[in-house]
Amino acid sequence: AQTVTQSQPEMSVQEAETVTLSCTYDTSESDYYLFWYKQPPSRQMILVIRQEAYKQQNATENRFSVNFQKAAKSFSLKISDSQLGDAAMYFCAYRDTGANSKLTFGKGITLSVRP
Amino acid sequence: DSGVTQTPKHLITATGQRVTLRCSPRSGDLSVYWYQQSLDQGLQFLIQYYNGEERAKGNILERFSAQQFPDLHSELNLSSLELGDSALYFCASSESLAGSYEQYFGPGTRLTVT
Repeated sequence: AQTVTQSQPEMSVQEAETVTLSCTYDTSESDYYLFWYKQPPSRQMILVIRQEAYKQQNATENRFSVNFQKAAKSFSLKISDSQLGDAAMYFCAYRDTGANSKLTFGKGITLSVRP
Repeated sequence: DSGVTQTPKHLITATGQRVTLRCSPRSGDLSVYWYQQSLDQGLQFLIQYYNGEERAKGNILERFSAQQFPDLHSELNLSSLELGDSALYFCASSESLAGSYEQYFGPGTRLTVT
């Protein structure tokens, strides 16, 4: 079974600085998808960024980028120019490419942003 | 707004009771997923439906059941409720089963069992 591990329960960053959130996963599949979701205090789950395992190029979305290391099964999220609105819980998630494709989530990390 | 709606937003009920949570997927989405978020278990997958048929089960208790109706809305039924069932229940939808698709999450239903 696939597992996703986020070992840091909390992190803090100064506004305008850069922070990296770590995630590791375990799977025997060669093709899959990885995601970072943001959950602000409203509790809405918001997709931040996704990565297809077959793509070597790291995904980027504005201030958000990932460092995908397939061999190491590592998938970290870098937030540049951190803003107060980035304060939230962040979940790393894994999904197979097959038909019954549930999301498997890590335990999440709470990010606080200091003004 | 993801386009996925869930009702009710909040639900407070007593142990032993039964509740029904409702989800309407995005227009055109055929697949519905239910997830439970609790302090103990984190975010975990419960069950998936596609075009009315159950397609996958996760860590769903026998006291819980779900269905997807012809109009594609889905209901999650929770019975013989226990204190530990208190959680945030999310519904997500996607247009297909396989391939490069997104799961769009609804706002969730917060269930409190007292």
